[in-house]
Amino acid sequence: EAGVAQSPRYKIIEKRQSVAFWCNPISGHATLYWYQQILGQGPKLLIQFQNNGVVDDSQLPKDRFSAERLKGVDSTLKIQPAKLEDSAVYLCASSLGVPQPQHFGDGTRLSIL
Amino acid sequence: AQTVTQSQPEMSVQEAETVTLSCTYDTSESDYYLFWYKQPPSRQMILVIRQEAYKQQNATENRFSVNFQKAAKSFSLKISDSQLGDAAMYFCAYMIGNEKLTFGTGTRLTIIP
Repeated sequence: EAGVAQSPRYKIIEKRQSVAFWCNPISGHATLYWYQQILGQGPKLLIQFQNNGVVDDSQLPKDRFSAERLKGVDSTLKIQPAKLEDSAVYLCASSLGVPQPQHFGDGTRLSIL
Repeated sequence: AQTVTQSQPEMSVQEAETVTLSCTYDTSESDYYLFWYKQPPSRQMILVIRQEAYKQQNATENRFSVNFQKAAKSFSLKISDSQLGDAAMYFCAYMIGNEKLTFGTGTRLTIIP
């Protein structure tokens, strides 16, 4: 079984620029999550999708972050404009549904200069 | 709000020995799920073990086992016969219903050859 795929693996941008991350979940997984993991902390949920609908985006900074999951499969997370405090690892995870275990991708490490 | 506390930022253990990582959580719910995830330098979060709160029997997965004390809201992870490949960050996490995973701050485990 192929795992959760994420790209890019690393990204370096300057503040105020925009950036996008891509996630392809495990085939058949209806639920998709984006987490932000700041250095030295545990992951924090940004947004949760059930198929192509948003279940929870309460901790997503909506003035600069956006996410979509078209056709209920792949998802993209965008930051525009980026701030220094957005430097983090962005993890994508998927599951068959709640409360099934979440399977994580390798993450994207974002550095803001 | 639910919180997860890991009071040991770092732990070390001699190869082949046993180590226990601590985790406590705060909740008013009676039905929930607890997880231990491992995050090696590759960044991928790997599920180690899972416990349903309604089950009194402690979960076990090969060399990994938990001590789940529901009344004390404690969920420790025991790793037996530690191996070099066990070196990683370990995160305790909590989930209720269809809500998000709430992670602790992690414990960095070092294996001494």
